[in-house]
Amino acid sequence: EAQVTQNPRYLITVTGKKLTVTCSQNMNHEYMSWYRQDPGLGLRQIYYSMNVEVTDKGDVPEGYKVSRKEKRNFPLILESPSPNQTSLYFCASSSFPYNEQFFGPGTRLTVL
Amino acid sequence: SQELEQSPQSLIVQEGKNLTINCTSSKTLYGLYWYKQKYGEGLIFLMMLQKGGEEKSHEKITAKLDEKKQQSSLHITASQPSHAGIYLCGADMEIRGETSGSRLTFGEGTQLTVNP
Repeated sequence: EAQVTQNPRYLITVTGKKLTVTCSQNMNHEYMSWYRQDPGLGLRQIYYSMNVEVTDKGDVPEGYKVSRKEKRNFPLILESPSPNQTSLYFCASSSFPYNEQFFGPGTRLTVL
Repeated sequence: SQELEQSPQSLIVQEGKNLTINCTSSKTLYGLYWYKQKYGEGLIFLMMLQKGGEEKSHEKITAKLDEKKQQSSLHITASQPSHAGIYLCGADMEIRGETSGSRLTFGEGTQLTVNP
């Protein structure tokens, strides 16, 4: 089944404790992206990647890192999480930036 | 995002009624995407529009992009409880005369409730 998977689905952590949210797609897509969704602010792009070893900042990249060492994986790294990073995070992929983006099920992160 | 305004923010309709959701941009749209989201879950792709005046339909949902490519509407005919959810528009917008490409901008969403 073609899909984007994210892990974990739910995470509660404390300020400053490094964490990684994994994202994997099995559709051989070149393009992958991370978004966060917050009430009143909608869906905002954090980082995106056009292909392996190619990443670029979205609208809200501060406090996040990403890597794209393999085509299928695009992990989101929070080196020192803060409470303002409490949010619902989505990973997405597509075969080309202008085509339909397939979204993962989301990761709900709470930073205390 | 204020760059992409959706209206209304929420909508409650009786089953069987028609409804329209709008998505308006102050900039030219190179591509407009409609998604549906169940609360707290992932987004499901509905339709993509790219050409001015383009219209697409899937089952009881029709989406249009106006000729100026700055506004899109999503119309649901004879709504059903299964249509309930959050509808989001996402756009590839013009930035400094060029397409924003991979940097999609999303509206805040429209919460749709369909009462049986």
